[in-house]
Amino acid sequence: AQKITQTQPGMFVQEKEAVTLDCTYDTSDPSYGLFWYKQPSSGEMIFLIYQGSYDQQNATEGRYSLNFQKARKSANLVISASQLGDSAMYFCAMREYNQGGKLIFGQGTELSVKP
Amino acid sequence: DVKVTQSSRYLVKRTGEKVFLECVQDMDHENMFWYRQDPGLGLRLIYFSYDVKMKEKGDIPEGYSVSREKKERFSLILESASTNQTSMYLCASSSTGVPSTEQYFGPGTRLTVT
Repeated sequence: AQKITQTQPGMFVQEKEAVTLDCTYDTSDPSYGLFWYKQPSSGEMIFLIYQGSYDQQNATEGRYSLNFQKARKSANLVISASQLGDSAMYFCAMREYNQGGKLIFGQGTELSVKP
Repeated sequence: DVKVTQSSRYLVKRTGEKVFLECVQDMDHENMFWYRQDPGLGLRLIYFSYDVKMKEKGDIPEGYSVSREKKERFSLILESASTNQTSMYLCASSSTGVPSTEQYFGPGTRLTVT
């Protein structure tokens, strides 16, 4: 069974608008963490934001926020005020703490920001 | 800054060749990982290592082996390259102990097997 699902293969957003990238996950481990990474066309993976399963508040990092809905097992990434440089692949990933340090990645969403 | 380097950005090999992909990290991280990335499939874990000389299979280990003789270096070996191993290979490292610590990735090696 897919543990991390990103249902949007590609998305478009107008510059300066907000966009939400969906991520749902499946785990029976009560202790886990959720990560979002950005991969520009150059190929490097850039860490964006982290949410722990016990965190009470939604994580925020600058223009990035994570809409964490634990009961629904979703961890959507919200990018506010999109910029042209936000055009990239975005990956959601999960670490189950009883599985050590490895990450399970979703399929990715390709975001294109239109001027 | 954490730095993870990979020996080649692009590599072209022939079917049946033995291929070595090298990864080096400079932050004394205990954990190292090898992924392959294919369109529509995301990143899939091939092998990982929590310590020198230790290795564990990931989700797709078939056709691959690894070596970790030194803490900073983690090598991925394709014993006999096949065309279905054409892919982007990403190495990553992380420290242990802090659950929120992210993995740091290398720039990737795009391998083509002809």
